[in-house]
Amino acid sequence: DVKVTQSSRYLVKRTGEKVFLECVQDMDHENMFWYRQDPGLGLRLIYFSYDVKMKEKGDIPEGYSVSREKKERFSLILESASTNQTSMYLCASSGTRFNEQFFGPGTRLTVL
Amino acid sequence: GIQVEQSPPDLILQEGANSTLRCNFSDSVNNLQWFHQNPWGQLINLFYIPSGTKQNGRLSATTVATERYSLLYISSSQTTDSGVYFCAVGTQGGSEKLVFGKGTKLTVNP
Repeated sequence: DVKVTQSSRYLVKRTGEKVFLECVQDMDHENMFWYRQDPGLGLRLIYFSYDVKMKEKGDIPEGYSVSREKKERFSLILESASTNQTSMYLCASSGTRFNEQFFGPGTRLTVL
Repeated sequence: GIQVEQSPPDLILQEGANSTLRCNFSDSVNNLQWFHQNPWGQLINLFYIPSGTKQNGRLSATTVATERYSLLYISSSQTTDSGVYFCAVGTQGGSEKLVFGKGTKLTVNP
């Protein structure tokens, strides 16, 4: 079975802090994604990566950056956390042969 | 970009009832997935179904790509089926991205 793990289920940070959210997949997938989910707005794509060191902006990249130094790991970085970044963050991965996406358990981030 | 609409937005059932959830999309797709989001927030893969029909136990799904819709059937519903069901689609040349519908919130009462 595909397994996607995220570093924390719950995270509380203060405004202005630098925040790292880590995601690891064990299926040798080429593609990895970061989404955020907010009530009334659904799931929105922040960034994705289709290869090591490659990244593309999604629909809402402002205030975020990403890093993919190894194929299995994709990190989302909030350079200076703000209260409007309080949200549920979901990581996903997919292969190139079959593009079904698989999701991690999510990280509920609260920025105070 | 592609639009994804799910209906109904909310559905309340008695245990044992059947239901049909619908997903309409505005363009050709090369990926269509149905997910169930559990109470802890995890998205559970139900079906990968860009076309055709699949069944898994009490759940089945049909996608009619030429008419741009997909249906998720839940038979003999159980309280554990409660949660939000999402349809998500990907398009050719869409860089493997998924676009999500707003979801259908299902409540199954005992």
